[in-house]
Amino acid sequence: GQQVMQIPQYQHVQEGEDFTTYCNSSTTLSNIQWYKQRPGGHPVFLIQLVKSGEVKKQKRLTFQFGEAKKNSSLHITATQTTDVGTYFCAGRSGGYNKLIFGAGTRLAVHP
Amino acid sequence: SAVISQKPSRDICQRGTSLTIQCQVDSQVTMMFWYRQQPGQSLTLIATANQGSEATYESGFVIDKFPISRPNLTFSTLTVSNMSPEDSSIYLCSVDGVGDYEQYFGPGTRLTVT
Repeated sequence: GQQVMQIPQYQHVQEGEDFTTYCNSSTTLSNIQWYKQRPGGHPVFLIQLVKSGEVKKQKRLTFQFGEAKKNSSLHITATQTTDVGTYFCAGRSGGYNKLIFGAGTRLAVHP
Repeated sequence: SAVISQKPSRDICQRGTSLTIQCQVDSQVTMMFWYRQQPGQSLTLIATANQGSEATYESGFVIDKFPISRPNLTFSTLTVSNMSPEDSSIYLCSVDGVGDYEQYFGPGTRLTVT
């Protein structure tokens, strides 16, 4: 079945450093979404990428979708303590409505 | 956006018992999803619940263990039956949003089975 791999599992940075998490699918995706889950909270939607090679930015966050629509990345520039949490990618393929979530990358930011 | 509430928010249950989790949405939605998230892990889809039809279960999840009801377009329940400590987890319901099809998640039910 479809699998979505995500690395790294955990990243510990100093405040102000950059952070990147990578997502790779075993199949071509129709779209990919990114979610953030704060400690003790529930996943919150950040963005969806649909087009091959698409790049979207939200302030310090940059999201990319690969040309083959099988991989994606989230880059955070100059991390802040408010960025702490787990970042999940989630992909859909074919005509299915269900999302397949990656394992998540837990980000710790130290001041 | 959709506002989702879940009851209970947390519970501690004895093995062999059952717990029913309720999910209420503030708008009518076609599909509702139930996920399980074990501590420090990712989200695993248990089943998709459409109003008026039987839920569709993912591999590894069966109706006898996780019966689901979907009596109307704003409400669903998930029952965790004959619980064992391995069922200790956070159970989340979610719905698709309009347009981007992002999913909105409820706050989750933290279940501990002793």
